Amino acid sequence: DTGVSQDPRHKITKRGQNVTFRCDPISEHNRLYWYRQTLGQGPEFLTYFQNEAQLEKSRLLSDRFSAERPKGSFSTLEIQRTEQGDSAMYLCASSFGSGGGGREKLFFGSGTQLSVL
Amino acid sequence: TQLLEQSPQFLSIQEGENLTVYCNSSSVFSSLQWYRQEPGEGPVLLVTVVTGGEVKKLKRLTFQFGDARKDSSLHITAAQPGDTGLYLCAGMTTDSWGKLQFGAGTQVVVTP
Repeated sequence: DTGVSQDPRHKITKRGQNVTFRCDPISEHNRLYWYRQTLGQGPEFLTYFQNEAQLEKSRLLSDRFSAERPKGSFSTLEIQRTEQGDSAMYLCASSFGSGGGGREKLFFGSGTQLSVL
Repeated sequence: TQLLEQSPQFLSIQEGENLTVYCNSSSVFSSLQWYRQEPGEGPVLLVTVVTGGEVKKLKRLTFQFGDARKDSSLHITAAQPGDTGLYLCAGMTTDSWGKLQFGAGTQVVVTP
């Protein structure tokens, strides 16, 4: 098991372009999370899946952002018409959870660093 | 405004010294976690605390959860250069299951 894998590690794009990031979680994990982190800040929650169902979306996730987890395995995060304010590290995490309370362990990938010029 | 406030924002100490990092909120958390993050990497979970007043030790690191489950502290004894990193607290409130929220972090630098 190689942990949570994110691709690409770095992405440079021009304003207005679309970008897509991929996350491969730990294989037996049923929950998958997307976070965004800017310099000097902690990660901000974007969205969360349990299996293929997207259970919660942050208000930060504007209509330009969409996330999918089609077969309950890998996930993609797409940003359409990128803006300079989208520049950040996009982190994916996965966990195995069977109930509430937030006690499961989240395992993070190394992130995708997005720079919008 | 962050739900979890961490202090201090930055801490620079010499090897061998002790340090304490604080995580405070006005909200009650069902659980609280501490992570360490190094540049260019994702956060790595250190510990989860779930019971008010709970104390957990991980080698030279001691974590405490407040009695009211609104605050937590991380104490490092005899810090080493390998302890350098961004320390993040994160928690889930009882009405936001699945939405782990992070503080802004405390950057710790331990110099030899």
